[in-house]
Amino acid sequence: QVTLKESGPGMLQPSKTLSLTCSFSGFSLSTSGMVVSWIRQPSGKSLEWLAAIDWDGDKYYNPSLKSRLTVSKDTSNTQVFLKITSVDIADTATYYCARATEGFDYWGQGVMVTVSS
Amino acid sequence: EIVLTQSPTTTAASPGEKVTITCLASSSVSNMYWYQQKSGASPKLLIYSTSSLASGVPDRFSGSGSGTSYSLTINTMEAEDAATYYCQQWSSNPLTFGSGTKLEIK
Repeated sequence: QVTLKESGPGMLQPSKTLSLTCSFSGFSLSTSGMVVSWIRQPSGKSLEWLAAIDWDGDKYYNPSLKSRLTVSKDTSNTQVFLKITSVDIADTATYYCARATEGFDYWGQGVMVTVSS
Repeated sequence: EIVLTQSPTTTAASPGEKVTITCLASSSVSNMYWYQQKSGASPKLLIYSTSSLASGVPDRFSGSGSGTSYSLTINTMEAEDAATYYCQQWSSNPLTFGSGTKLEIK
């Protein structure tokens, strides 16, 4: 059974660094072809892809946010992390991690992050 | 960046009615993916590689298209299909999603 779950701070102040964790089970990120992505969704709006990391450790970023993003994984291949630096109000959203094989076939429940002073 | 434009933005259908949602890409893409998102829930994969049905998805859903024009069809609308639908491409970086189509039940 594949499950993913995001965790994060809930709320943080502008200019701080947002750190998110995706903990997953039921698959291994070391399996060839496996990818885990981060996607966010502001309330009432569409989805925005942020970053991805694959089984080989290759990283992919949305060019529009690349300078602020860092994606990584743990050595046991059961967690993926995302850091977003210099957050502002526009980064307020629900953040999802999702497994990608053919499309995003499994998603976490999402974690809501509010940037506010 | 490839922009995906969905139409209609909002629509409503009666039970049993056929529904078609269109996704136009600003440049040619090799494949399209479709997701269903119900209120307060995470998106759910419906269609991958343009026309393949994801596991557990009812066969009243189908996808088709090529190049810059793709569509998602619900053959016979059911009340549980009321949701927002998104198309998605990853033929070029960045991966992008459409703006969504909200489907309501009449």
